[in-house]
Amino acid sequence: SQQGEEDPQALSIQEGENATMNCSYKTSINNLQWYRQNSGRGLVHLILIRSNEREKHSGRLRVTLDTSKKSSSLLITASRAADTASYFCATDAGGTSYGKLTFGQGTILTVHP
Amino acid sequence: DVKVTQSSRYLVKRTGEKVFLECVQDMDHENMFWYRQDPGLGLRLIYFSYDVKMKEKGDIPEGYSVSREKKERFSLILESASTNQTSMYLCATAGVGSYEQYFGPGTRLTVT
Repeated sequence: SQQGEEDPQALSIQEGENATMNCSYKTSINNLQWYRQNSGRGLVHLILIRSNEREKHSGRLRVTLDTSKKSSSLLITASRAADTASYFCATDAGGTSYGKLTFGQGTILTVHP
Repeated sequence: DVKVTQSSRYLVKRTGEKVFLECVQDMDHENMFWYRQDPGLGLRLIYFSYDVKMKEKGDIPEGYSVSREKKERFSLILESASTNQTSMYLCATAGVGSYEQYFGPGTRLTVT
């Protein structure tokens, strides 16, 4: 079953604007990750936030995690046309799950030049 | 850098054929995963393996089997392909204690 649910399903913005994508999940997690997928390609890991962290930054990316609300958000600042891609959140329940991830359905981001 | 390769980018097979999808990684990772990706459904885990000759069912194993005879290679087998197995198939790897997964480029399989 799908744990993560992304919102919105699609987002269209102009270059230079910020893009915010949200992810909600249902069960407790060890960590939450965000991945990016360019059209027709494999996924690329962007950032990981652990369950005891509230915010994390990596370049133009900012991720927040609210475990009480079981939600996370990914902010891309000063977006570029090259950021056009699908973005997925993935949750790791930890324990003996061998790093099994449960992915959401993704947000399609289009950045217009 | 981790390199994960998949045997084909595009594959067309007929209903009832036996299909092999191969995944090879060069980073000595213990954990390997097979997902399928369908529009509106995201990625769903089919099978995973945490060691040679070890395998575990994921969320949607029906109609699939896997083989891991060597650490670097993880094969997904469709015993008798059906049209509802038309999908994008993605292989991924991860090292022990590392949560990040590295993905191959994917195989887009069409079963006619």
